[in-house]
Amino acid sequence: DIQMTQSPSSLSASVGDRVTITCRASQGISNYLAWFQQKPGKGPKSLIYAASSLQSGVPSNFSASGSGTDFTLTIRSLQPEDFATYYCQQYNSYPFTFGQGTRLDIK
Amino acid sequence: QVQLVESGGGVVQPGGSLRLSCAASGFTFSIYGMHWVRQAPGKGLEWVTFIRHDGINKYYADYVKGRFIISRDNSKNTLYLQMNSLRPEDTAIYYCAKDLIDYVDYSSVDYWGQGTLVTVSS
Repeated sequence: DIQMTQSPSSLSASVGDRVTITCRASQGISNYLAWFQQKPGKGPKSLIYAASSLQSGVPSNFSASGSGTDFTLTIRSLQPEDFATYYCQQYNSYPFTFGQGTRLDIK
Repeated sequence: QVQLVESGGGVVQPGGSLRLSCAASGFTFSIYGMHWVRQAPGKGLEWVTFIRHDGINKYYADYVKGRFIISRDNSKNTLYLQMNSLRPEDTAIYYCAKDLIDYVDYSSVDYWGQGTLVTVSS
């Protein structure tokens, strides 16, 4: 199985900050990488697919990049509604696997 | 608009069975693959299983293989998860999710349901 490792596991930031979350795959997955956002008590929301493509309706202050084994999610200017937990997921091969999550909270 | 509504969760004893349903609307259900993903209390997301649009290809995580069965009824726009031989470690919120791309086995997902809670406890 492909292991996905996110860093950091948690992060404190302020409104307006720029933050970056990284995700590393244990083997190459081309660009078969997705990012999800989850708020407490809610189901996940899809943000990014194919490593860098925004899902419909996702604000443009979110961006992502990467290929192979190393990927990043960047939030350019944090808004209050962006404080949540973020997960990466590989869909290159079954079983699909998620990173352990990065909790982003307000400093 | 796309809606995915899970149901069927509840409390079940270890070794018991439960069948979850996911009612889909707002899109052509029969052309998209579907997933179940779970989340144990206070833990991260864990992929469980996938079924292709036509029900022919199915994939399972090792921790549910041989115990869980995914199926779908395209005439009813409904996805199912039959869970047998349940264990306490299966306790989780179970989400269904829709593939972004139609007619394929390998796709990211775009929409998620709100989840249904399964508790396995004596």
